[in-house]
Amino acid sequence: GESVGLHLPTLSVQEGDNSIINCAYSNSASDYFIWYKQESGKGPQFIIDIRSNMDKRQGQRVTVLLNKTVKHLSLQIAATQPGDSAVYFCAENGQAGTALIFGKGTTLSVSS
Amino acid sequence: EADIYQTPRYLVIGTGKKITLECSQTMGHDKMYWYQQDPGMELHLIHYSYGVNSTEKGDLSSESTVSRIRTEHFPLTLESARPSHTSQYLCASSEFTGGTEAFFGQGTRLTVV
Repeated sequence: GESVGLHLPTLSVQEGDNSIINCAYSNSASDYFIWYKQESGKGPQFIIDIRSNMDKRQGQRVTVLLNKTVKHLSLQIAATQPGDSAVYFCAENGQAGTALIFGKGTTLSVSS
Repeated sequence: EADIYQTPRYLVIGTGKKITLECSQTMGHDKMYWYQQDPGMELHLIHYSYGVNSTEKGDLSSESTVSRIRTEHFPLTLESARPSHTSQYLCASSEFTGGTEAFFGQGTRLTVV
């Protein structure tokens, strides 16, 4: 499957491939992380979240991996479908925990 | 589908006009937020509220103001719109601060001409 080692703004994959989207978070005090999917003209939608006491969490076709040592978060999408085409954002709760702090998005394009 | 609603979805308005963007949620959440998002870019927090009569400014400086008179309602107001205010405004709510999922509305895309 396709993967992004450093954050890249776009990722193009073929239908059926596995996709990996990476995110570097900024605050070592963050203890909650979340991935959102945003389709054109819509608000962000929850995909999956993870707390800092875990390093992996799985959902339906999605897996989030957390590496606190290097402050890195990744989202893996299995068997990517055209409906997965969207912008994906990671977010963290930061030191104050006031509100979610968003990273730069990655636009995933899935071709059939 | 999250029970959080924003109106209008799209607004084109002239410079100098006063506008209010509406946001309502039916989930009974105390915590509400306004984010600003330019096309294809990340979301920036401009206002948040812990509950009724609580409002705070976020990380991104904004000329807008907010109010929280009722739990379910968190309107954002621009007293005098300018072209630099052109952006998408997203409202969200959560059960707890920071360490839990925030539910987002569909957004209001504002264009000031």
